[in-house]
Amino acid sequence: QSALTQPRSVSGSPGQSVTISCTGTSSDVGGYNYVSWFQQHPGKAPKLMIYDVTKRPSGVPDRFSGSKSGNTASLTISGLQDEDEADYYCCSYAGSFIFVFGGGTKVTVL
Amino acid sequence: EVQLVESGGGLVKPGGSLRLSCAASGFTFSSYTMNWVRQAPGKGLEWVSSISSSSRYIYYADSLKGRFTISRDNAKSSLYLQVNSLRAEDTAVYYCARVLAYTSDYWGQGTLVTVSS
Repeated sequence: QSALTQPRSVSGSPGQSVTISCTGTSSDVGGYNYVSWFQQHPGKAPKLMIYDVTKRPSGVPDRFSGSKSGNTASLTISGLQDEDEADYYCCSYAGSFIFVFGGGTKVTVL
Repeated sequence: EVQLVESGGGLVKPGGSLRLSCAASGFTFSSYTMNWVRQAPGKGLEWVSSISSSSRYIYYADSLKGRFTISRDNAKSSLYLQVNSLRAEDTAVYYCARVLAYTSDYWGQGTLVTVSS
């Protein structure tokens, strides 16, 4: 149950795109198509943004998209907006209702 | 509207115990697996434990086995986490979350546990 690897921070100007990577192993990210991404603003609870690698819950803007290749999943935010500045966490199912999170990535809007 | 409200956190001395609660409403609680997830101050999210809808299947993070016990009362739409032998490194906000398929789709606002002498 080792944490997934994410970059500590990424940044971009309004309107630009940023991509956050999330690297695991064949026992988690690579073994299941069950990667989720959560957005967390300071002092708030996490909010589900992407699930099952590519799916968006109702109400999440289509600027947010997910993908996966091998043991690495990615979250792309297109058309970056001020309100997208937050921490983002990936999470993968690892079998037997065990979940593993990434260390988190701070997205800064310049 | 789905709501999850945690309670039971507070200041506790090392070696002490607490029972955290999560009151659920707005959905059929007995039909869902539930998670506890924690977040130490300034740190990332850490999955703690899961319990299936009927309590038949229970899982814990390897590092926490033996000290934490998850349970639920479907008649009361409530989830619990008994935390024993607390250590400074257990200081965190503890969130309960509903599990839908293989993700946590709704989260509570969390309850803060502070372990300090």
